[in-house]
Amino acid sequence: KNQVEQSPQSLIILEGKNCTLQCNYTVSPFSNLRWYKQDTGRGPVSLTIMTFSENTKSNGRYTATLDADTKQSSLHITASQLSDSASYICVVFTGGGNKLTFGTGTQLKVEL
Amino acid sequence: GAVVSQHPSRVICKSGTSVKIECRSLDFQATTMFWYRQFPKQSLMLMATSNEGSKATYEQGVEKDKFLINHASLTLSTLTVTSAHPEDSSFYICSARLPLKNTEAFFGQGTRLTVV
Repeated sequence: KNQVEQSPQSLIILEGKNCTLQCNYTVSPFSNLRWYKQDTGRGPVSLTIMTFSENTKSNGRYTATLDADTKQSSLHITASQLSDSASYICVVFTGGGNKLTFGTGTQLKVEL
Repeated sequence: GAVVSQHPSRVICKSGTSVKIECRSLDFQATTMFWYRQFPKQSLMLMATSNEGSKATYEQGVEKDKFLINHASLTLSTLTVTSAHPEDSSFYICSARLPLKNTEAFFGQGTRLTVV
């Protein structure tokens, strides 16, 4: 059964600090993996895409990693801002990208 | 990136009434759109796949007579919640893909439905 698990479930950090979110997946066949940011009451917005051959990719303060051997991905956020408070969802695309498997999400709260 | 627009963003309706939610791809044509439901602090659950010009494909456990989907054009899919009940209150999100590019999904802003 295709599954995507994320940890931690929730996280509170102080503004300016860094944090790392984890994603473990058991999905086959793997097409690509995306991290999405979902603000409260809004739809998810893509942050990064990781294909099978990519190990790390950055998008501003966001850096995603992928270990296809262990089927793990992480999203590192540096110098957090209050606006980073949101739910971060790991989504794995399978079957040539035809099917999506969603992670349970990590609820991040950045405080002063 | 491509834009998917969903309307309304929130709606309150009385039990027994029907509510229509629209999903539009603004700058591309989408032969396939997807409808999700999201409960508080949970991830998105696929309800159905909307196919332009044909019947929608529903996930197991989703009542097709309750959640009517119409995909009449390449840029518009609608989800109608019929005879709504309080347990239908939820956050509904649509999604679309670019043609021939299955490596990204673009999501609408979501619709918060409250049935009173």
